[in-house]
Amino acid sequence: SYVLTQAPSVSVAPGQTARITCGGDNLETKSVNWYQQNPGQAPVLVVYDDTDRPSGITERFSGSTSGNTATLTVSRVEAGDEADYYCQVWDSGTDQYVFGRGTKVTVL
Amino acid sequence: EVYLVESGGGLAQPGGSLRLSCAASGFSVRNFTINWVRQPPGKGLEWVSSFNAAGVTATFADSVKGRFTISRDDAENSVHLQMNSLRAEDTAVYYCAREGTYYTRGLPYSEGYFDFWGQGASVTVSS
Repeated sequence: SYVLTQAPSVSVAPGQTARITCGGDNLETKSVNWYQQNPGQAPVLVVYDDTDRPSGITERFSGSTSGNTATLTVSRVEAGDEADYYCQVWDSGTDQYVFGRGTKVTVL
Repeated sequence: EVYLVESGGGLAQPGGSLRLSCAASGFSVRNFTINWVRQPPGKGLEWVSSFNAAGVTATFADSVKGRFTISRDDAENSVHLQMNSLRAEDTAVYYCAREGTYYTRGLPYSEGYFDFWGQGASVTVSS
């Protein structure tokens, strides 16, 4: 089965840039989606199709993919950005949806 | 405005059954693929099942294949997840999520991402 690899945690100071990575075989051939989840709440889509932002998502969130790694970048980090972030793809080989294990972002 | 509301969660014994429902408003479930995603306590997200907009394809994660079924009720604008032969490892919050869908020549195609989520229903499997 297809596997997405994420670091368990990332720490960042307010106002700085957080980069959350997601690794997978031939990831650049897939569309990567990113979700933000606050404790006790449902996930929220923040980036889809590698780079697009849904309506209402701040431009401080951006996505990119190169080779086997996708990156969610959060610019000018705020305290409210502290959350868990998950990458996700649809794997055509198995016709299943795959999530990474998630990265907890801590704002120092 | 789009809303998804899950119901039917609760406590079940190992080997027992539960039926979750996902009631949609603000859109028709006939026009979108609806998914179930679960999250065990303190763990990450796991996709469970999908019922596509065309209503002809249901897919399942290997971990639930043969035990869970999914169906759609167009009159109620709902999707249901029937969970049988429940195991302790099925304990989780279950979310229903709408999948982005586009149409070409009148046929729906799933986009692969989940753009709206419900608030979740808690399922506990324990004796």
